[in-house]
Amino acid sequence: LAKTTQPISMDSYEGQEVNITCSHNNIATNDYITWYQQFPSQGPRFIIQGYKTKVTNEVASLFIPADRKSSTLSLPRVSLSDTAVYYCLVGDPKNTGFQKLVFGTGTRLLVSP
Amino acid sequence: NAGVTQTPKFRILKIGQSMTLQCTQDMNHNYMYWYRQDPGMGLKLIYYSVGAGITDKGEVPNGYNVSRSTTEDFPLRLELAAPSQTSVYFCASISLGQGILSNQPQHFGDGTRLSIL
Repeated sequence: LAKTTQPISMDSYEGQEVNITCSHNNIATNDYITWYQQFPSQGPRFIIQGYKTKVTNEVASLFIPADRKSSTLSLPRVSLSDTAVYYCLVGDPKNTGFQKLVFGTGTRLLVSP
Repeated sequence: NAGVTQTPKFRILKIGQSMTLQCTQDMNHNYMYWYRQDPGMGLKLIYYSVGAGITDKGEVPNGYNVSRSTTEDFPLRLELAAPSQTSVYFCASISLGQGILSNQPQHFGDGTRLSIL
């Protein structure tokens, strides 16, 4: 199982760009990298997923270097509503589901005015 | 389209009581999961199911049971509630295509807060 390591917490201010890095040194060839966001009293919510290089959607960007041993979630111009816990997960979704994924403690992002 | 629905949202149990946490999804997803989340911690997988009639243990299955008689429903059973089972329980589902590398994300319910006193 690919283990991930993230910072426990990060602080930012409104309007700033936030980059959260996740380390996954033993990522396997077929593994994808997925990021989830969780607000208090809610279930995790999918943010973005990628395999290599860069992926961008309306919410965030995901940067994955060539060796894939780490990834960086980039949140542009954060607002107070981006205060949440962010989880990085690594796993192979091909015909096996995500049952082997391990949710770590995540990164608690606090955005201040 | 309701997604993943969990009931009840809150429950208080006495030690030794039993209860069933309900989970229903209307997306025709084949994979379903139960997680628990303790305060300040990440999610831990309890049980999962890859389809009707098929279930398997996750990281922390002790004290729980599941069944999957239909595609839509995946109830979680606590037979003898213990204080260590006080937690927030999340149900999730995902659909995977046979032979297709699918990256569909998991859909989570809003959780059931369970306190055992």
